[in-house]
Amino acid sequence: EIVMTQSPATLSVSPGERATLSCRASQSISSNLAWYQQKPGQAPRLLIYAASTRATDIPARFSGSGSGTEFTLTISSLQSEDFAVYYCQQYNNWPPWTFGQGTKVEFK
Amino acid sequence: QVRLQESGPGLVKPSETLSLTCTVSGGSISSFYWSWIRQPPGRGLEWIGYIYYSGSTDYNPSLKSRVTISVDTSKNHFSLRLKSVTAADTAVYYCARSPPGITEWGSFDIWGQGTMVTVSS
Repeated sequence: EIVMTQSPATLSVSPGERATLSCRASQSISSNLAWYQQKPGQAPRLLIYAASTRATDIPARFSGSGSGTEFTLTISSLQSEDFAVYYCQQYNNWPPWTFGQGTKVEFK
Repeated sequence: QVRLQESGPGLVKPSETLSLTCTVSGGSISSFYWSWIRQPPGRGLEWIGYIYYSGSTDYNPSLKSRVTISVDTSKNHFSLRLKSVTAADTAVYYCARSPPGITEWGSFDIWGQGTMVTVSS
């Protein structure tokens, strides 16, 4: 099973600032990585797939990069609606498809 | 647009079987892979398994001995059965769709709202 490790666990950011979230895979997953945003009481929402491709209707301030074992999600200028928990997920090896433990982006 | 809706009992007794259904509306269940994913309270996401509209399945090895996912294309829905449940199976259960493209298959582009299932006597 591929283990996904996200850091930091919590990121304190002010609105308008840049947020950088990291995700590491226990072995190479090529570019088969997705990022999700989850707000309290809601289902996750797909932000990024194939490591760097924005999903439908996702704002350009969200960008993804990386390949192999190291990945990054960047939010260029944090908006109030971006405070949430973010998960990475690998879909290169299965079963199982696996998620990271999440990074909470909170208001500084 | 395509919507997913989970349904089923919110309370299940220990050792019994959890049964949920996900109804697909606004589109066909055909030609897609459909998954169940769960999230214990305050914790992260765990993929349970998927089913293709043709009926082929794959499961998380950690749950494989207890899980069955089935599909009914005539009703445009698919179902989850998890047997011999314990308190550790208490979670929000989501159904989700995997997009068909080769670069994104395995991610989840459409999710149901989720349904909370509590295992308790």
